[in-house]
Amino acid sequence: NAGVTQTPKFRILKIGQSMTLQCAQDMNHNYMYWYRQDPGMGLKLIYYSVGAGITDKGEVPNGYNVSRSTTEDFPLRLELAAPSQTSVYFCATTGTGDSNSYEQYFGPGTRLTVT
Amino acid sequence: AQSVTQLDSQVPVFEEAPVELRCNYSSSVSVYLFWYVQYPNQGLQLLLKYLSGSTLVKGINGFEAEFNKSQTSFHLRKPSVHISDTAEYFCAVSESTSGTYKYIFGTGTRLKVLA
Repeated sequence: NAGVTQTPKFRILKIGQSMTLQCAQDMNHNYMYWYRQDPGMGLKLIYYSVGAGITDKGEVPNGYNVSRSTTEDFPLRLELAAPSQTSVYFCATTGTGDSNSYEQYFGPGTRLTVT
Repeated sequence: AQSVTQLDSQVPVFEEAPVELRCNYSSSVSVYLFWYVQYPNQGLQLLLKYLSGSTLVKGINGFEAEFNKSQTSFHLRKPSVHISDTAEYFCAVSESTSGTYKYIFGTGTRLKVLA
């Protein structure tokens, strides 16, 4: 099993450009999350999803959008990129109803620079 | 509202010495508690978790943590560290009663093991 995969690994955007960060999981987990990690700030939740067709905002949703059309995929869309969105982005999943319930599984991250 | 405090942003320690990384949380309801480790340029991986039962929790790589409800703490300990333990460590909390599976992370503690 691949677990949680993210693409791309690195990306440089110009101010005002748009892009989609991809996240896919093969663990059949219902819950998926997008976090951003800034130095010294820990992880901040951007959006999360409790299942296909259901998404909700986290702490820092402004400037981002998500969709969840399938259990496996949870893309994060940046419209009109700004320097404040320079960060490392992590996708994560959580399963329910088994011995690994409540544990989060993280992807390797996408390092985004907006200049 | 929940919050997690990791007071030590950096902890230097000599190899084979013991270490304690501190985590305090704030919540008005019962919680699940987690410690994650992040090696350079990687995603987070679970070290250990407290869901219920024994307050002393053992995890991978020789780490353990103790849940102290009265002090709202969940400190991470290792009796003898190795160079390979150099990494960033994150404490996280999730409300056990909400059913929303949302997590709040601390700002992280960078453990530097010195030869």
